[in-house]
Order: sequence, then C-alpha cells, then structure tokens
Amino acid sequence: DQQVKQNSPSLSVQEGRISILNCDYTNSMFDYFLWYKKYPAEGPTFLISISSIKDKNEDGRFTVFLNKSAKHLSLHIVPSQPGDSAVYFCAASAFSGTYKYIFGTGTRLKVLA
Amino acid sequence: DVKVTQSSRYLVKRTGEKVFLECVQDMDHENMFWYRQDPGLGLRLIYFSYDVKMKEKGDIPEGYSVSREKKERFSLILESASTNQTSMYLCASSFGAGSLGNQPQHFGDGTRLSIL
Repeated sequence: DQQVKQNSPSLSVQEGRISILNCDYTNSMFDYFLWYKKYPAEGPTFLISISSIKDKNEDGRFTVFLNKSAKHLSLHIVPSQPGDSAVYFCAASAFSGTYKYIFGTGTRLKVLA
Repeated sequence: DVKVTQSSRYLVKRTGEKVFLECVQDMDHENMFWYRQDPGLGLRLIYFSYDVKMKEKGDIPEGYSVSREKKERFSLILESASTNQTSMYLCASSFGAGSLGNQPQHFGDGTRLSIL
C-alpha cells in the first residue's frame, strides 16, 4: 500500500512560470515532510522540508504547502528555470525512534526554455 | 559538506554470485540506509541501521543482508544475486534520534547494478 503518492509522473512548464508538484499521503501519523531533487546519475539532494505544525515553508524560489486535513502537500517553484529540470521526490516520516522516511514515486519536471 | 561515497558507480554480476555494495559517510551520522530505485516505484527502503552492529529491515529486505561494523561504513550484501535485483542502489545517512528535530538524509550518487 503506497502511503505517499505522487500521481503525476511528469510535468512540463515554460521557463519563468510556476511549477507545482503535488504529493498525497494516507498516514495521519506523518509529522515531517521533505522534498528531494534528483538529477540523472546523481543521488537525491535535499531541497526543503516542513513540519506538520506548519502549513507553509519558504526558501528562495521554493515553497512547500501542507494541507493536513486533505493529507496533501505541494512544492511551488517560482520562477522555474531550466536547471530545475529533474525528478522530484516527496518523503514523509512518523518518528518511531529513528528517522525513517517513506518516499513517493517521483515526478519528472521539465522546464522548457 | 556531507559526503556519502558508494564504492562503485556501475557493477555487472552474474546470477548466483554474492555481491557486496559498500557505502561510507564522513559526517559521523548515526543512521544509515540502503534503498533501491526502480522506474515507477520510487525509492524503496531495503535495510537501515541506527547504530553500529544494529540493523532493521525496511520494506523489501528479502534477498539482502547488511553489515555495519564501523559507524562510517554500511554494506549491502546480495546473498545470491538474481536478475530481479538489477536496479539502482542508493545509500543514505542522517543524524540519529538524539539530534534536534528531524534530519534530512544525505545520499550517495548510487550504484547501478546489473545482474546477468
């Protein structure tokens, strides 16, 4: 059973426009969420995170929104740049003595110049 | 910067072989993880370790074992490699439960393993 879902396998956006990547989860015990970016032939790199006690976290061009009632989070990239083209994974954790994360299946973002 | 180093970028082995994938981190992290990444399935946790000589099964441990004899090194072992273990393998590390708040995982660049 997939507890963290990214229902869009791919997304294309024009350079300068907003990219919105979505993630849904089923486990109400999740209390921390992260986004990772992955380029081909490289490991995922941490992008931004949010605690369940917040509904928004912003870092430069990246903003993550959390809607706990809908069990939904989204990553906004504004403005999108060609270098943002990558696979984006959302991940969630419910602290159980160690920080074990469950990852979504990823969304491939392509930013068109 | 945190450095997580996986010993091989590409590896080709034959079915039935015993395969070792090595991972070393240089940030004194307590937690270390092994994932595999497959198209359409995302990252799936195989095993993790929260201390030396400690290990816990992840979501797909069958056919794998791990070893953590030193804090900085975490090895993944394919006991008898099979073709369905052809995949990208990713190692990660993070600070442990005693640290302040949640800590993101830092990943190596992966080992693409092909089993023929």
